[in-house]
Amino acid sequence: ETGVTQTPRHLVMGMTNKKSLKCEQHLGHNAMYWYKQSAKKPLELMFVYSLEERVENNSVPSRFSPECPNSSHLFLHLHTLQPEDSALYLCASSQRQTPGSTDTQYFGPGTRLTVL
Amino acid sequence: AQSVTQPDIHITVSEGASLELRCNYSYGATPYLFWYVQSPGQGLQLLLKYFSGDTLVQGIKGFEAEFKRSQSSFNLRKPSVHWSDAAEYFCAVGASNFGNEKLTFGTGTRLTIIP
Repeated sequence: ETGVTQTPRHLVMGMTNKKSLKCEQHLGHNAMYWYKQSAKKPLELMFVYSLEERVENNSVPSRFSPECPNSSHLFLHLHTLQPEDSALYLCASSQRQTPGSTDTQYFGPGTRLTVL
Repeated sequence: AQSVTQPDIHITVSEGASLELRCNYSYGATPYLFWYVQSPGQGLQLLLKYFSGDTLVQGIKGFEAEFKRSQSSFNLRKPSVHWSDAAEYFCAVGASNFGNEKLTFGTGTRLTIIP
């Protein structure tokens, strides 16, 4: 596997279910990101992890819970979601060069989530 | 806070024709600028980026972009499009000041290619 992979690619869940999205990066990067992509809206940054510590939580509802057990893996745990949470969830990774500078982010293919 | 505007929601061009996708940004300091492409059902692929130096940046797949500070623009160009270029294109701006490493994306431009 190369680059950034995400599983599953598609997920349908009810509002009472609990599920997890998985992201794995094979690029040796030290930062990982979760984005939400909804129709007709810009990509929304949800979470940023740098060196396995969460450095950004962009006012995301608590029904989304991220986990970064190591620099290669990132999870997004989902519970009691709402239909408006249906979207494409994208994972990205980057190599943090210096504090405060913007790095190039590399994206996975995304998980298409549908909440019924 | 930084922002990005892509004024064209949808553009249609003929195969072989030239292409220019517009991107305007708002940011108080020197921006970091990116163009990404997204094919249906796929994630975002980096086309090119501008951090500093030469304002004309070459990318993959024959794309280029020019940073114009006076116009706060970073337009994407290709001299001759191919049917495989049909996709959605996103411009993004990143901050260069300490403590703000976020990327802000535009709403995207959908490109349709006609034979």
